Parts: sequence; C-alpha cells; structure tokens
Amino acid sequence: DIVLTQSPASLAVSLGQRATISCKASQSVDYDGDSYMNWYQQKPGQPPKLLIYAASNLESGIPARFSGSGSGTDFTLNIHPVEEEDAATYYCQQSNEDPYTFGGGTKLEIK
Amino acid sequence: QVQLQQSGPELVKPGASVRISCKASGYTFTSYYIHWVKQRPGQGLEWIGWIYPGNVNTKYNEKFKGKATLTADKSSSTAYMQLSSLTSEDSAVYFCAREVRRGDYFDYWGHGTTLTVSS
Repeated sequence: DIVLTQSPASLAVSLGQRATISCKASQSVDYDGDSYMNWYQQKPGQPPKLLIYAASNLESGIPARFSGSGSGTDFTLNIHPVEEEDAATYYCQQSNEDPYTFGGGTKLEIK
Repeated sequence: QVQLQQSGPELVKPGASVRISCKASGYTFTSYYIHWVKQRPGQGLEWIGWIYPGNVNTKYNEKFKGKATLTADKSSSTAYMQLSSLTSEDSAVYFCAREVRRGDYFDYWGHGTTLTVSS
C-alpha cells in the first residue's frame, strides 16, 4: 500500500499569511505524465470537500487562494492568503493504485 | 444537482450486522463509481472499497474483506454497504463518495452515517 505522510500534523497561521502543507508518498503516484494526488478539506461534522485534483487542478468553486503542486512522491498544498473560514483539517489522497490511501491529516488553526 | 443521501445513525450490538445506504440523485447512477470511506472519532480517513453500479463490479481494501459487502440497486439508484460481525472497532462515521473514473477523485460525498457498536 502507498503510505502518505503529511506534515506538519497541525499548524497555526496568522490571518492573511501563507499555510503550506506537505504530503510525501512512499512511492510515486505518477503515471503516464499525470500525478494522481488529490487534496480535501474537512470541517467538524462535515464530509471532506475536494479542493485540488491531479496535484494542481483547482476544483470548480474553490477559491484561487488554494493551490497545489508537486509530482512523483512530493506534493504541497498552499493556502494564501489564509482566511478565518480555512480553519479545518486537510487531507491528501492518492488514486494511482488500489487501495486508495489518505494522509493522516493536517489541522489548520487561524491566529 | 448531484446528491448522495445516506441513511441515518445506527446503534447496534456487538456481533450483529448493519446495512448502510447511499441514495444517489442528479446524475446517471450506473455511470460512476461509489466508494465507501471510514472515519473513526478524531481519526483520519480509511478507504473501504468501491462498487460500479453499471456492472456491479466491486473492489475491496484487503483490510475490509470479510467485514464489508458492497451492493447496488439500479432501480432505486442506491448503493449499500453491509458490515458484519460488528465490534467496537467498527464504531465510526461511514461516508459514500462518487468517483467519475478509476484514478480520479471524490467529487461528491454523502453527509456520513454514524455507526455505534455497543451493548
């Protein structure tokens, strides 16, 4: 199984500043030139919400302050400028091979 | 609009089985994969498996083989997950989610069904 390691486990960012979350895969999630890495936001009592798909594509309706980058085994989610409503837990997820796996999550607090 | 409506919370005794439903609307049920994901209280997300209602093919995470059984009813556009031989380790929120193609992403999610296993 592909293990996804997210860091940090939690972070506190001041309003208007940048939040950077890392996701490292135990093996490449690339295939045929595409990266099969997705990012989700989850708030308490809600299901996860898709933010970024295929490493860097912004899902429709998601604010442009969210961005994703990376390939192979190293991926990053950036949020800039951070807003109050971005307080949540963020998960990376790979869909390159079964079983699909998720990172352990990163809890973002807004200062 | 696309919706995945899940069944309500369940309280079941250890050793029993339970079936959770996920009713799809707003799209062609047979053309998309339905996945199931487990989330224990305060924990991360765990993929259980998928079903493709078009041909009822299924795939399971090895960890959930023998625990979860995925089915689908095309006539009612509803996917089901049965969990058997329940223990406290099965207490969790279970989500269904839609995927367009294999290797894609989960673009729509159900609201989640809370399962509590307790005597």
